[in-house]
Amino acid sequence: DQQVKQNSPSLSVQEGRISILNCDYTNSMFDYFLWYKKYPAEGPTFLISISSIKDKNEDGRFTVFLNKSAKHLSLHIVPSQPGDSAVYFCAASAQGGSEKLVFGKGTKLTVNP
Amino acid sequence: GAVVSQHPSRVICKSGTSVKIECRSLDFQATTMFWYRQFPKQSLMLMATSNEGSKATYEQGVEKDKFLINHASLTLSTLTVTSAHPEDSSFYICSAEAGALQETQYFGPGTRLLVL
Repeated sequence: DQQVKQNSPSLSVQEGRISILNCDYTNSMFDYFLWYKKYPAEGPTFLISISSIKDKNEDGRFTVFLNKSAKHLSLHIVPSQPGDSAVYFCAASAQGGSEKLVFGKGTKLTVNP
Repeated sequence: GAVVSQHPSRVICKSGTSVKIECRSLDFQATTMFWYRQFPKQSLMLMATSNEGSKATYEQGVEKDKFLINHASLTLSTLTVTSAHPEDSSFYICSAEAGALQETQYFGPGTRLLVL
């Protein structure tokens, strides 16, 4: 049973446009959410997080939106750059982030010049 | 889809003992596996990269004599925490690299280690 789902395995956008990566979760105990970015042959690196007490968190070109009622979060990247091309993982945790992370299967983003 | 398992899911041990954690790719072969330690509200800390048939590559600051990694086959990597201390208590998560171009990873469910 997948508790964190990234239903789009891949996404392709033009440079300068917005990239929207989606993530759904089923466990209502999750209250802390993170996005990681991964390049080939490297481990993932932390990108941005959001606590369930918020519905939006912004860091430069990256914004994460959380819709608790829909158990859905999304990562917006604007403007998208070719260097953003990577696999993005959504992860969730309970108890304010102190419980183990549960990962989605990732979405491969390709930003075309 | 690809599945990665970890065993045990949780372990409690006494200080000074050693604990072995297994990471298995269940339906695919993984030349490379990663071991992470999770900190509360923090990003995953990559501990080491485990390559089948060769020595693991450890990240700076990770004691390779304390965290022994063995990648004996294309479906199994083990992490042994030697002489565990309470400060080693954490979640340990593995992931296995997949895809012809090593373009993605599948994460294990994590192992909770509590050292008393």
